[in-house]
Amino acid sequence: DQQVKQNSPSLSVQEGRISILNCDYTNSMFDYFLWYKKYPAEGPTFLISISSIKDKNEDGRFTVFLNKSAKHLSLHIVPSQPGDSAVYFCAASAPIEKGSNYKLTFGKGTLLTVNP
Amino acid sequence: DTGVSQNPRHKITKRGQNVTFRCDPISEHNRLYWYRQTLGQGPEFLTYFQNEAQLEKSRLLSDRFSAERPKGSFSTLEIQRTEQGDSAMYLCASSLFGEEETQYFGPGTRLLVL
Repeated sequence: DQQVKQNSPSLSVQEGRISILNCDYTNSMFDYFLWYKKYPAEGPTFLISISSIKDKNEDGRFTVFLNKSAKHLSLHIVPSQPGDSAVYFCAASAPIEKGSNYKLTFGKGTLLTVNP
Repeated sequence: DTGVSQNPRHKITKRGQNVTFRCDPISEHNRLYWYRQTLGQGPEFLTYFQNEAQLEKSRLLSDRFSAERPKGSFSTLEIQRTEQGDSAMYLCASSLFGEEETQYFGPGTRLLVL
């Protein structure tokens, strides 16, 4: 059973517009969520994260929103740039007191294409 | 560059051979994780170390897999008697004490078993 789901395998947006990537999770023990960006043949690059005690975290063009009641988070990229084209992974973790030691559980990723 | 490094970046081997991968974490990061990623999937947790102690192993890590981190610095992942199903990207990540929730990944080792 997939505990972290990214239901959109791909997303295409125009340069300058907003990109919204979505992620759902099922495990209520998760309390920390991260977004990674991955280019082909490279490792994931950490983008932004959010703790379950917050509902929003912003870093430059990237904003992550968390809706705990819906077990849903989203990554907003504004404005989108062609260099943002990559696979974006949502990941979640729980601390040791919740039985997880912060190991990451990933979704399958969403391929974002930003067209010039 | 002081990021996570992994060697080799690519490995092609024949079925039945043994392979070993190395990971050098970010300096002073006491936690080191290994993940495996196959095509179309997100990375999956294999095992992790806190300093030199291996504290958890996934059920994905069969008896043919062994990982070590002898001095609490670099780590090695060995696969014995490789099978075609072992073909994947093997990723290493590290995190800092007190900031364990954020892991930084290396470039990965791409393994192809023929």
